[in-house]
Amino acid sequence: GESVGLHLPTLSVQEGDNSIINCAYSNSASDYFIWYKQESGKGPQFIIDIRSNMDKRQGQRVTVLLNKTVKHLSLQIAATQPGDSAVYFCAENMGTGRRALTFGSGTRLQVQP
Amino acid sequence: GAVVSQHPSWVICKSGTSVKIECRSLDFQATTMFWYRQFPKQSLMLMATSNEGSKATYEQGVEKDKFLINHASLTLSTLTVTSAHPEDSSFYICSAQGGGNWNTEAFFGQGTRLTVV
Repeated sequence: GESVGLHLPTLSVQEGDNSIINCAYSNSASDYFIWYKQESGKGPQFIIDIRSNMDKRQGQRVTVLLNKTVKHLSLQIAATQPGDSAVYFCAENMGTGRRALTFGSGTRLQVQP
Repeated sequence: GAVVSQHPSWVICKSGTSVKIECRSLDFQATTMFWYRQFPKQSLMLMATSNEGSKATYEQGVEKDKFLINHASLTLSTLTVTSAHPEDSSFYICSAQGGGNWNTEAFFGQGTRLTVV
């Protein structure tokens, strides 16, 4: 699958602020998207998902926005906490069976106390 | 969500030896498992797709004779890195998908840090 780049951009926010992490996905045919959180030395942890027939989905403190026109996905974290510090990846999937996920390059979120 | 367990969490081996990594789905039957590799500060790259009872499908550039995958049961897949070399040092992660409501969501193991010396 296509993975976007080798660089890991960093987003630094103050505790209590809202965070917005962006992702440009690669396949216009993808119809299922997931945001994962990965802490150092651990596997990815599911945060929230969205299907292509939606443009917004909310969870607990998190919201995912999908713009299919420009192939853009964003993750909004409300009232960011130090425990939110991690690397966040978006992933896309064709959604037509048991297909592997294609991961974006990731964004490191640093929450300053 | 479902639980996927990987073992070992970390391993150090000598160059030229083989290492086996296990991936187990603890509370569901995983008809498909995926193996990823992740280098420092990089994203997860798919190595292969493993279907229970059949041969794994490898991504382009991944040597099937070097990275042996076995998925003999619905709850266990293994990845064996044969004749490991320092360049194989990486973080290996498996994920599993079952059926029913988990038709698309993948659950990840905690990863295995392999260091070849």
